[in-house]
Parts: sequence; C-alpha cells; structure tokens
Amino acid sequence: SSDLTQDPAVSVALGQSVRITCQGDSLRYYYASWYQQKPGQAPLLVIYGKTNRPSGIPDRFSGSSSGNTASLTITGAQAEDEADYYCNSRDSSGNHWVFGGGTKLTVL
Amino acid sequence: QVQLVQSGSELKKPGASVKVSCKASGYTFKSYAMNWVRQAPGQGLEWMGWINTNTGNPTYAQGFTGRFVFSLDTSVSTVYLQISSLKAEDTAVYYCARGGGGSAAAGNEYFQHWGQGTLVIVSS
Repeated sequence: SSDLTQDPAVSVALGQSVRITCQGDSLRYYYASWYQQKPGQAPLLVIYGKTNRPSGIPDRFSGSSSGNTASLTITGAQAEDEADYYCNSRDSSGNHWVFGGGTKLTVL
Repeated sequence: QVQLVQSGSELKKPGASVKVSCKASGYTFKSYAMNWVRQAPGQGLEWMGWINTNTGNPTYAQGFTGRFVFSLDTSVSTVYLQISSLKAEDTAVYYCARGGGGSAAAGNEYFQHWGQGTLVIVSS
C-alpha cells in the first residue's frame, strides 16, 4: 500500500480544466512533486516545490497544497496531456520517498 | 545538458544476478543524489532508494533490502543497481533518477532528471 493516495482515473474534456489530487499525512509537512508518464516513456517532472514548473513545462500545469492534500491542475487540457500522473513526497518518517499509485488522465 | 544513460535490456534466469548501470553527464556528479525507481509491467512507480554520490552511502526502501545493492564509480560518473537471486517478480523497468532541490546530503527533494529505463526480464 502507498502512503500517498490518488484516484486511479480521471477524465477531462479537451480544453477544460482538471484537478488531480494526492492525499497523505506526510503532505502536511513536505511538498509533493508531480510526474507525467506517457506509454513507453520515462517519467517527466512537471511540478516541484510549492508550485514550480521546470523549464519547458507549459504554464497550464500548476500545483497547490492544502492540509494533507496536494493537487495538480491542468488549465485547458490538451490531447497531449493524456498520460499517467504520479505524485511523490517524503514519507511520514521523512527519510524515504513514496509515490502515489498514479492517476490515468484521459482527455476526451 | 543533463543526461542519464542506462544500460540495455537484460533477460535473466531465476536465481541469477543482474547489474544495471546509469551513466551521468552534463553536471557535477557529486552534487546530486541518485535514486532508483522500479516499474513492474502495467504497474505504478515504486521508489527503491537512493545513493549519496559523495559518500556512496545507500538508503533502501522497505522491500528493497538484502538482494538489492546500489553502488557507484565516481571516476566514470556512474551508479549501479545490482539485484541478486532474481525472481520472476523482479521483472520490471528500472529507472535511475537524479535528485533536484534541497540538499544532496539529504537526498534532494524531487526527481529532476530520469534515465531512459532498463527492462529486466526474469524468466526460465
């Protein structure tokens, strides 16, 4: 079992906004990072820290956090955003990292 | 630019060992931690642990102690994952992932750059 809980699947209409959430006690103390993974590819960091985007990540991707929940929001989802999304953070001990189970995003 | 280039796919029999390499370039090797992440077929990402690239000290996640060993060779900016006594359930893609942010001594805070992955298949 994972210390971080994600909905297995979410769908969004093309051009609409979608929020993917990640819940876990450790998120009260540590920031989450978010990774996009497309079939057959390595994961790609899309959000880190409070709400930072690496260079090259579109600004339609944003992050937020409240209490024990971190969220990844895609504002105006595009077809190319269809992918699996994973959150990651330190675990409750602070000494290890843990991934959420992943959310499969479908863009309709 | 930062690159992590992993060794090629492996087909091994149960009970054998495998050593996966991850060669880093484009940055100062000792400035960032290196993590290993497993992804079994059709499954999610699983953090296996990390290695301190200054001291060589490894930290293993629960479930990855005993048969899994992280090591490095700073002279060639390469980290290694060795798995012994392979089992069918070790079949997976293994990724190295370089840390980012925070302190390298504490493992950094996120996984900024990833290798392309190495598929290890364990089958008789």
